[in-house]
Formats: sequence, structure tokens, C-alpha cells
Amino acid sequence: TQLLEQSPQFLSIQEGENLTVYCNSSSVFSSLQWYRQEPGEGPVLLVTVVTGGEVKKLKRLTFQFGDARKDSSLHITAAQPGDTGLYLCAGASSGSARQLTFGSGTQLTVLP
Amino acid sequence: EAQVTQNPRYLITVTGKKLTVTCSQNMNHEYMSWYRQDPGLGLRQIYYSMNVEVTDKGDVPEGYKVSRKEKRNFPLILESPSPNQTSLYFCASSPWDTYYEQYFGPGTRLTVT
Repeated sequence: TQLLEQSPQFLSIQEGENLTVYCNSSSVFSSLQWYRQEPGEGPVLLVTVVTGGEVKKLKRLTFQFGDARKDSSLHITAAQPGDTGLYLCAGASSGSARQLTFGSGTQLTVLP
Repeated sequence: EAQVTQNPRYLITVTGKKLTVTCSQNMNHEYMSWYRQDPGLGLRQIYYSMNVEVTDKGDVPEGYKVSRKEKRNFPLILESPSPNQTSLYFCASSPWDTYYEQYFGPGTRLTVT
């Protein structure tokens, strides 16, 4: 079973601050996804990164896939209260099994 | 509206009483999956299906059954629920070739007493 470790588990910051969330594994993934989940709802896909070293930007969110395709980071610039939520990374298996492995999540709270 | 629906959204039951949680999607997706979410453990995959009549075990399949008789439906069956199956359950679907970009249902909160 492939494992993904996320850090930190909890993060509480003030509006306007920057933050980085990390997703690490000893396994290689064919792609890595970041999802965001709000209370009472299912996760919603934010981005997919496929190529080692790839960087994608989504407004104030920057996603990076590690060169070896084993880790990823999510950086938020000038966080806003609307960014509050549970951020989950997920890795797609590199073998024939079409399984998605999720990290344990980072609960982000942005205080106004 | 493209969506994944789950029913029921909330369920309280007793140990040993068989139950089924339904999942349906209207996006003609080949891939469907069930997850459970527990505090501190993230989402763990129970079963997944790559198409009709094709199902595979995920990481935590014990105590669960699934079937995929129609493309749009993927019910989760607990034949004899136990308290350790108390959890938040999510169904998801996606196209086969981008199975990792999943659309999730709203979740079913199950309590087994």
C-alpha cells in the first residue's frame, strides 16, 4: 500500500499570511492531485500535476510536483478566510491498479 | 446538473442489521469508487470499479460488498455492520482515462451502535 503523509495536520493563520502544505511519500506516483473539502461536502478537485518538477498556479495557489514524483507542495499566498478548509493530496498509482491514495489532510483555518 | 448522489445522507443502525448505501452518477463515468473518511486518517478506498461487472478491492475492503450491474450505480453493502464501520462514506466517479480526477458525492454519515 502506498502512503502519503501530509504536514502540517492543522494550520491556523491570519488573513494575508502565506503558507505551505507538504505531501510526502516514499512511493512514486504517476500523477498527484490536490482536493479541497468543506464541512458537509465531498472533496473537490483543485489541480492535477503529472510531470516531475511541474508547477501549476491557480490564482493565489501554487502547486509543485517533486522531481522524483514522490512529493508535492501547495503554497497559498495572502490567504483569505475563504481558503479555510481541509486540503487533501492524492496520488495515482503508477502500476496497473487504478487506485487513488489520499493523504490524511491539512485542516486550514484562516482568521479574518 | 452533473452530479454524484448518495442515499441516505445520514443513517443510524444497530450491529448486524444489513444495510445498503446507494450511489448514482449522471456523467456516464466508467470509474466509480467508495471511500471512508475517519479523523486523522484521510480518505481510504474501500472498493472501486473500472466498468460494469468489474470491481476491485481497495485498501480497506473487509466487511463491505459492492456490485456494478449498471454503469450509473455503485451500491455499497454492509452485510453485518459493526461499530468500527461507523464513519463518513463517500462515493466518487470519474472517466476511465482520468480516474484520478474524481467527482465526489455529498457523503453518508453512518453510525453503528
